[in-house]
Amino acid sequence: EDQVTQSPEALRLQEGESSSLNCSYTVSGLRGLFWYRQDPGKGPEFLFTLYSAGEEKEKERLKATLTKKESFLHITAPKPEDSATYLCAVQSGNAGNMLTFGGGTRLMVKP
Amino acid sequence: ETGVTQTPRHLVMGMTNKKSLKCEQHLGHNAMYWYKQSAKKPLELMFVYNFKEQTENNSVPSRFSPECPNSSHLFLHLHTLQPEDSALYLCASSQEYGFTDTQYFGPGTRLTVL
Repeated sequence: EDQVTQSPEALRLQEGESSSLNCSYTVSGLRGLFWYRQDPGKGPEFLFTLYSAGEEKEKERLKATLTKKESFLHITAPKPEDSATYLCAVQSGNAGNMLTFGGGTRLMVKP
Repeated sequence: ETGVTQTPRHLVMGMTNKKSLKCEQHLGHNAMYWYKQSAKKPLELMFVYNFKEQTENNSVPSRFSPECPNSSHLFLHLHTLQPEDSALYLCASSQEYGFTDTQYFGPGTRLTVL
C-alpha cells in the first residue's frame, strides 16, 4: 500500500525566511510525484510533477526536489501570498495509477 | 469558462434529501474524478471515469452515485447522507487515466449534512 507523509503539519515563517517542506513516501514503482497548492475553500492548484530521483523543478520562489524516498519543496524568501496548504501526492503502478495524497503542510507567512 | 467548474459551491442538505453535484471540464480531457476532502484527513479518491466508463470505485457507500454522461460532465448524486459525509467534494480531470498526467481540480462543493 502506498503511503505519503508530509511534515511539518504547520509552519509559520516570517516574510523572507526561507525553509523547506518534506514529503516522505513509500511506493512500489513510483511513476510520478505531484505538488499542489491549496488555498482555503478552493481546489488544489497544480505546481510540479517530478518523475525520477535527482530531478528538480522551479517556479518563482518554489523549488521541488526528489530522492528515492522523499521530496522537498524549498521556499526561498517567502511572501505572505505564499501562505497556503501544500499537498504532495504520488502515483504508482501498484495503486492502479491512482493518486495517494499526504495530509498537507499548512504554511503561514507573516509580514 | 475555463478549467474545471463545479456547482453548487455550497450545499446544505438534510439526511433525507436528494441532491446532485455537477462538474464540467473545459480542458478536452478524457478522465474525470471525484474526491472527498474532510477536515484533518488527506484527499480521498471516490470514483474515476475514463472515456465515460467507471474504472475505479474506492469502496464508496451506495448513498453516493456517480454519473458521467460524456467526457466533459460528471455528476455525483447524493441521497440519505449522514452528518459525517459533510466535507469538501472536489472534481478533477486529466488527459487520460492510466498515464502519469496531471490532474486539474475544480474549486469544490462545500457540503454540510444536517
